[in-house]
Amino acid sequence: ELKVEQNPLFLSMQEGKNYTIYCNYSTTSDRLYWYRQDPGKSLESLFVLLSNGAVKQEGRLMASLDTKARLSTLHITAAVHDLSATYFCAVLFTGNQFYFGTGTSLTVIP
Amino acid sequence: DTGVSQNPRHKITKRGQNVTFRCDPISEHNRLYWYRQTLGQGPEFLTYFQNEAQLEKSRLLSDRFSAERPKGSFSTLEIQRTEQGDSAMYLCASTQSGTRFSYNEQFFGPGTRLTVL
Repeated sequence: ELKVEQNPLFLSMQEGKNYTIYCNYSTTSDRLYWYRQDPGKSLESLFVLLSNGAVKQEGRLMASLDTKARLSTLHITAAVHDLSATYFCAVLFTGNQFYFGTGTSLTVIP
Repeated sequence: DTGVSQNPRHKITKRGQNVTFRCDPISEHNRLYWYRQTLGQGPEFLTYFQNEAQLEKSRLLSDRFSAERPKGSFSTLEIQRTEQGDSAMYLCASTQSGTRFSYNEQFFGPGTRLTVL
């Protein structure tokens, strides 16, 4: 069964702190995507990870991919309020279907 | 490039009515996806088109749902005899596949929020 799991589902963190969101998937894939969604809005593409060991960074967010462990991480450094949103990972399995995780709802508290 | 657009943005309908949504992808994108998203969940794949051909459909897609992409440009998603369980956000995404630099990165539209009373 094709599954994508994220944890935690909910994350409340103080400004200035660091944290990591995890994305596990069930079957081999070498393409993983991270998206951000603000309440009532659509999804915004953050990162595309294409191979084992890939690391991408943008501002306070850094994403990595370990295809052998079937694991991707989204690391948040020195969180700020503007990062409050829901973050989704999505995996492209064989064929052309994208499977999304359930999302991690992040709230950054001043 | 104006991005992916969807119309209408909101639709309220009564149970049993038919509704149709439209998606206009980014013009050079050859692949178009439809998703459904309910509150607190990630998007669920419904179907996708490569140009005008509908290549895959989810098992979630009952026979009340039909999608078209005539001429490989805009796409429509029709739901017949709507049910309250159809209430959700319907998202469209497009991507350019088949080139070295496409990476299958999807660009999402703003969505159509459907409420079935």
